Amino acid sequence: DQQVKQNSPSLSVQEGRISILNCDYTNSMFDYFLWYKKYPAEGPTFLISISSIKDKNEDGRFTVFLNKSAKHLSLHIVPSQPGDSAVYFCAASINNNDMRFGAGTRLTVKP
Amino acid sequence: DTEVTQTPKHLVMGMTNKKSLKCEQHMGHRAMYWYKQKAKKPPELMFVYSYEKLSINESVPSRFSPECPNSSLLNLHLHALQPEDSALYLCASSQAGLGTEAFFGQGTRLTVV
Repeated sequence: DQQVKQNSPSLSVQEGRISILNCDYTNSMFDYFLWYKKYPAEGPTFLISISSIKDKNEDGRFTVFLNKSAKHLSLHIVPSQPGDSAVYFCAASINNNDMRFGAGTRLTVKP
Repeated sequence: DTEVTQTPKHLVMGMTNKKSLKCEQHMGHRAMYWYKQKAKKPPELMFVYSYEKLSINESVPSRFSPECPNSSLLNLHLHALQPEDSALYLCASSQAGLGTEAFFGQGTRLTVV
């Protein structure tokens, strides 16, 4: 039962442009959402999060948007840099318990 | 120190072997986790320890046995594994509950032959 879905396995973007990574979820009880970034041969690294009481959270070049009615969140990276090339995982949790991951989206930023 | 350290980085074991994976953190986190990740799949939660007590066991086969000797250490004991258990095993820790920001180790790449 895939409660967190990332339907795009890969995304390619030109350096300096915007990268938009999407995530959908099915469980309306999720109340906290996180994005992790993973380089090859490393564990996932926390990037940014958002609580269900908010619809936007910004941290430097990274912004996460949450649309609860659509059960959809997105990660915007502006401007994209080659060092952003990695696999990005969306994750969701309920009441600080459990954490379900999406399948990941491989982002490639071309110089 | 914001690291979660996992040893070994790679492990090859036979189906009759007994081995252990180790995880260590010195961030004062009170929650520690084991995840399993197969190729091109998301990490799947296996076990959660909160304040050194097992709080979540996601129906993992008994050939995987977790142990939390103290708040900084987490072990995963392996016995009689199957080839399909080959995967990347990730350890993570967090200050509070599982839904908060977790720090992950680099993982142990396990191959069962």
